[in-house]
Amino acid sequence: AQSVTQPDIHITVSEGASLELRCNYSYGATPYLFWYVQSPGQGLQLLLKYFSGDTLVQGIKGFEAEFKRSQSSFNLRKPSVHWSDAAEYFCAVGGLTGGGNKLTFGTGTQLKVEL
Amino acid sequence: ETGVTQTPRHLVMGMTNKKSLKCEQHLGHNAMYWYKQSAKKPLELMFVYSLEERVENNSVPSRFSPECPNSSHLFLHLHTLQPEDSALYLCASSQGTTTDTQYFGPGTRLTVL
Repeated sequence: AQSVTQPDIHITVSEGASLELRCNYSYGATPYLFWYVQSPGQGLQLLLKYFSGDTLVQGIKGFEAEFKRSQSSFNLRKPSVHWSDAAEYFCAVGGLTGGGNKLTFGTGTQLKVEL
Repeated sequence: ETGVTQTPRHLVMGMTNKKSLKCEQHLGHNAMYWYKQSAKKPLELMFVYSLEERVENNSVPSRFSPECPNSSHLFLHLHTLQPEDSALYLCASSQGTTTDTQYFGPGTRLTVL
């Protein structure tokens, strides 16, 4: 069965500092990996996704993520955080299952940005 | 309207009420999903519809009844809910049911008294 672990429940960074959010997955085959962001009262917005090819993926809002098969990780990074980045971030793994496109989400990391 | 919309945004209901959540996607997608988001728990996939056929039901109690009359609309009919059903219910859509990106609506915040 596929699973996702986001080990950090809460992270606080200063505005302008760099950010790395951790994500580890378990999946039997080549995974399809996603990062979503959720602002308060909003649905989930896709930041970036990895299906194949270059293991460093660029997304919206200046985010990037690197797929490391050997570590089963897909960490999200941003070189300089803005106050508007404060939100909850979800990593998800997907793939073909009997029911088609089934995404399994992590429990999320709440990001707080200090001014 | 663009993207995925959900109505109502907030709903308070008693345990004996019957209500429905509505989701509409304006993206021309063929697959639609219902998720439940509870505090401190991962998103739980409830139902998947592809071309108006239900292709997945994740052991959801029968007090939740989905309906997909066409590829643009998805409903979740609720009856005799329990307080533990209080959560954010998210709808999503994707082009197909393979590896296509899912696009989410803003959710309906449900409170069961």
